[in-house]
Amino acid sequence: GMPVEQNPPALSLYEGAESGLRCNFSTTMKGVQWFQQNHRGRLITLFYLAQGTKENGRLKSTFNSKERYSTLHIKDAQLEDSGTYFCAVDTGNYKYVFGAGTRLKVIA
Amino acid sequence: DMKVTQMPRYLIKRMGENVLLECGQDMSHETMYWYRQDPGLGLQLIYISYDVDSNSEGDIPKGYRVSRKKREHFSLILDSAKTNQTSVYFCASRPGQGAYEQYFGPGTRLTVL
Repeated sequence: GMPVEQNPPALSLYEGAESGLRCNFSTTMKGVQWFQQNHRGRLITLFYLAQGTKENGRLKSTFNSKERYSTLHIKDAQLEDSGTYFCAVDTGNYKYVFGAGTRLKVIA
Repeated sequence: DMKVTQMPRYLIKRMGENVLLECGQDMSHETMYWYRQDPGLGLQLIYISYDVDSNSEGDIPKGYRVSRKKREHFSLILDSAKTNQTSVYFCASRPGQGAYEQYFGPGTRLTVL
């Protein structure tokens, strides 16, 4: 399959800090979906983007199909933001390819 | 209320037993998926269903088969389960053509002893 690379693999942030997560892919994709997997294992959709930028509260995501990357920016990190963040790129033929995730730990 | 459900949520089986995992969705989505997730990895696609009786292998179909007789239900079957099929299984659905997000179920944690 087409590789999807997520960076960094792991990240620690203090409460109130901010950081960006990146998802790189090797070919042009139709869209990208970002998830948070919480401590119970549930997959919570944060964004789906086919182009441009979306923002929701403290989260902001961009998708650049031409440059083959997407970013997820978290600001004012809270304890409940801890978890693993996955990107899944939409190949356009009904299939999605997942990255291995970024494990985020927010520290009080 | 848009929802994807999975049953059972937890299952323990012995090697060689048959396993049936069930998934339902109430959104009339045409496309449904079965994935597995192993520790430290993202989700891997087992099977995809484009609609009733229209199924296709994903990236890791060996040891699995599926059934979709109604649009709202998609089953994953393990005939003679193996210990290396111990994993968390996720079902998902999405509308048909176009660029759409997937909607995920809560997952089924399967342990094969």
